Amino acid sequence: AQKITQTQPGMFVQEKEAVTLDCTYDTSDQSYGLFWYKQPSSGEMIFLIYQGSYDEQNATEGRYSLNFQKARKSANLVISASQLGDSAMYFCAMRDEIYSGANSKLTFGKGITLSVRP
Amino acid sequence: NAGVMQNPRHLVRRRGQEARLRCSPMKGHSHVYWYRQLPEEGLKFMVYLQKENIIDESGMPKERFSAEFPKEGPSILRIQQVVRGDSAAYFCASSPGQGNEQFFGPGTRLTVL
Repeated sequence: AQKITQTQPGMFVQEKEAVTLDCTYDTSDQSYGLFWYKQPSSGEMIFLIYQGSYDEQNATEGRYSLNFQKARKSANLVISASQLGDSAMYFCAMRDEIYSGANSKLTFGKGITLSVRP
Repeated sequence: NAGVMQNPRHLVRRRGQEARLRCSPMKGHSHVYWYRQLPEEGLKFMVYLQKENIIDESGMPKERFSAEFPKEGPSILRIQQVVRGDSAAYFCASSPGQGNEQFFGPGTRLTVL
């Protein structure tokens, strides 16, 4: 079974600073994918970034980067140059990709609340 | 290209009534996933469907819940005889069957009085 752990309490960051949101995972699968989603107060789920377990480079998407440490089973999200609009809940998720490839359910963590201070 | 559409966005039901939640995937997507988000929680997988087939329903409660994705029309998540504990946000996601991302709809907020 897969498990995602997000244990940070509510996080605060000053505008324009960088912030790291922690995510650890547990799986016995050899091939898996890791995701981060943003959920603002309006409620929609916004895809941010994806990392495949066999990708050698850390994924980056604009101001988002994923610090993937496979041996430690961690997939922390780094947001650089925080903006007020980054205030939201952030969810880490994973899926097994060994049997079904991309067509597999996502397992989510409980999320972290990020507040950006002006 | 319109995104994943869900309706209604908000649904209020009394205990014992039926709730029907609809999901129209993105154009060209034949894979649909339903997730439930309880207050202060992450999303929990419920069911994965392809056109006319249920692929994985390991997250569906055994009673009162059912899902379908007919050849024509949206996917439907049906909850019979709703109880207060069914109050949650229900999200639908779709994917094209290849690639990495599941695209999420805006969710349906179900409130059971």
